[in-house]
Amino acid sequence: QSALTQPASVSGSPGQSITISCTGTSSDVGSYNLVSWYQQHPGKAPKLMIYEGSQRPSGVSNRFSGSKSGNTASLTISGLQTEDEADYYCCSYAGGSTWVFGGGTKLTVL
Amino acid sequence: EVQLVESGGGVVRPGGSLRLSCAASGFTFGDYGMSWVRQAPGKGLEWVSGINWNGGSTGYADSVKGRFTISRDNAKNSLFLQMNSLRAEDTALYYCARGSCSSTSCPLRHWGQGTLVTVSS
Repeated sequence: QSALTQPASVSGSPGQSITISCTGTSSDVGSYNLVSWYQQHPGKAPKLMIYEGSQRPSGVSNRFSGSKSGNTASLTISGLQTEDEADYYCCSYAGGSTWVFGGGTKLTVL
Repeated sequence: EVQLVESGGGVVRPGGSLRLSCAASGFTFGDYGMSWVRQAPGKGLEWVSGINWNGGSTGYADSVKGRFTISRDNAKNSLFLQMNSLRAEDTALYYCARGSCSSTSCPLRHWGQGTLVTVSS
């Protein structure tokens, strides 16, 4: 159960697109189509943004999209807005009723 | 409206025990899998433990296996986390979260506000 690998920080300007990567192993990301992405603003509880790799829960903007290739999942945010500034965490099912999170990525909207 | 309210956090000495509770409302508790996720001060999220709808399937992070026990009481709409042999590194905000389906393999759709556990001598 090693944490998934995410970049510590990414940044972009309003209106731009950014992509956050999430690298796991063949035991987690590579084995299951069960990668989720969570957004967390300071002092707030996490919010589910993407599940099953590319699905958006109701109420989440279509500016958020997800994908996966091999052992790496990605979250793309298009048309960046100031309110997108937050920490983002990927999470993958790892079998045996267990999950593993990534270390988190701080998104700065310049 | 889905509500998850954690309680039971506090200050405990290393080696001590604590039992966290999560009171659920606004949905049929027994239909969903549940999890505990923690966040150490200034750090990232760490999945701790999960349980399916009837308690028949549970999972634990390696860091807590053998020390923590997750359970649920569907009649009382409550989730629990019994934490024994606590260590300084268990200090964190503990979130209760509801899955989007009955098993342990569903994403966490709803979260509580957390209860703070501090392990210190």
